[in-house]
Amino acid sequence: AQSVTQLGSHVSVSEGALVLLRCNYSSSVPPYLFWYVQYPNQGLQLLLKYTSAATLVKGINGFEAEFKKSETSFHLTKPSAHMSDAAEYFCAVSEDYQLIWGAGTKLIIKP
Amino acid sequence: DTGVSQNPRHKITKRGQNVTFRCDPISEHNRLYWYRQTLGQGPEFLTYFQNEAQLEKSRLLSDRFSAERPKGSFSTLEIQRTEQGDSAMYLCASSLTGRTDTQYFGPGTRLTVL
Repeated sequence: AQSVTQLGSHVSVSEGALVLLRCNYSSSVPPYLFWYVQYPNQGLQLLLKYTSAATLVKGINGFEAEFKKSETSFHLTKPSAHMSDAAEYFCAVSEDYQLIWGAGTKLIIKP
Repeated sequence: DTGVSQNPRHKITKRGQNVTFRCDPISEHNRLYWYRQTLGQGPEFLTYFQNEAQLEKSRLLSDRFSAERPKGSFSTLEIQRTEQGDSAMYLCASSLTGRTDTQYFGPGTRLTVL
């Protein structure tokens, strides 16, 4: 069975600093990986996805993620945090018909 | 493309009552999914439809839960004899058929069982 682990339930960074949200996966087949963002009282919105093309994936709002098979990781980064990035971020792996989700990381931006 | 919509957005009910939620997917999407999300957790898969056929149900989906998707369009999720443990956010998503196709989520229905 596939699984996803997100390290850190809360991550706090200063505005303008690098954002790094960690995601490790476990999969017996080549994985398809997703990052979603959830703003308060809103639905989940896709940030980016890895589908076995380029290992560096660029998404919306300046986010990107790198697929590293040797480390079974798919960490999410953004060079410079904005206040508007404050939200909860979820990593997920596709298992046939369903997404298997991590527990999420709440990103806090300090002014 | 108007996105996935869900109604109601909030539902407060008393234990033992029945509730029904509705999801309207993106029109050209043939897959529709239901997930449940509790505070501090990622979503958990409940069930999904390919067109009108319900193809998979999670063990989380007890006999009190039933879902339908008549004519492969909108879907309803009914919970009978609600329990306090059913309090959660119920999320609906839709997609095309492939494993790499993006699942687009609605805003969710927050259920509170008193």
